[in-house]
Amino acid sequence: QITLKESGPTLVKPTQTLTLTCTFSGFSLNTGGVGVGWIRQPPGKALEWLALIYWDDDKRYSPSLKSRLTIRKDTSKNQVVFTMTNVDPVDTATYYCAHSPGYCTSDNCYADAHFDYWGQGTLVTVSS
Amino acid sequence: DIVMTQSPDSLAVSLGERATINCRSSQSILYTSNNKNYLAWYQQKPGQPPKLLISWASTRESGVPERFSGSGSGTDFTLTISSLQPEDVAVYYCQEYYTSLALTFGGGTKVEIK
Repeated sequence: QITLKESGPTLVKPTQTLTLTCTFSGFSLNTGGVGVGWIRQPPGKALEWLALIYWDDDKRYSPSLKSRLTIRKDTSKNQVVFTMTNVDPVDTATYYCAHSPGYCTSDNCYADAHFDYWGQGTLVTVSS
Repeated sequence: DIVMTQSPDSLAVSLGERATINCRSSQSILYTSNNKNYLAWYQQKPGQPPKLLISWASTRESGVPERFSGSGSGTDFTLTISSLQPEDVAVYYCQEYYTSLALTFGGGTKVEIK
């Protein structure tokens, strides 16, 4: 059974750095093809993909936010850490982490960059 | 970046009737090498995280009711709820994963009961 849970501050001041941790169980980020992504949703608005890290430590970022984002994994702790620098009130949102499936053949591993398991999300408010 | 445009923004359908949601991508998300469309559909109920309904444009996830179906190819896709049930009231999102360099969600479609 795959589960994910986000943790971190609920309130961050403008210009500060937001750090969120995704703690997961039921899978390993050492498994070929697997990834963990971060997606956010401002109140009443649509989903926005932010970042994705794969089993082989390949990292992908939203082009519009790339300069502010960092994602890393700690496979020994089954955690993925997400960082966003220089936050602004427009970054107020519910932040989700999610599992991205993949598979391996005899030749290679392939990541399917959609999200089949999601955490419950954590609401982060940016305000002074 | 690929832009995903959903229509309509919202729709109200009578119980038992068909609901149709459209999603258009700004470029083809069909990989001709494997003939797969890199498109997923999610359902999000109020206060809950999104739930994956369909991947590869038409592959229903395990446990998803058969009344949900996905179709389309290339740039135009459709999510159909064949017979709307009360528990289907939600916002539905499409997502492309063609490149994995920049994943994109559609703007969402809110489905309500008429």
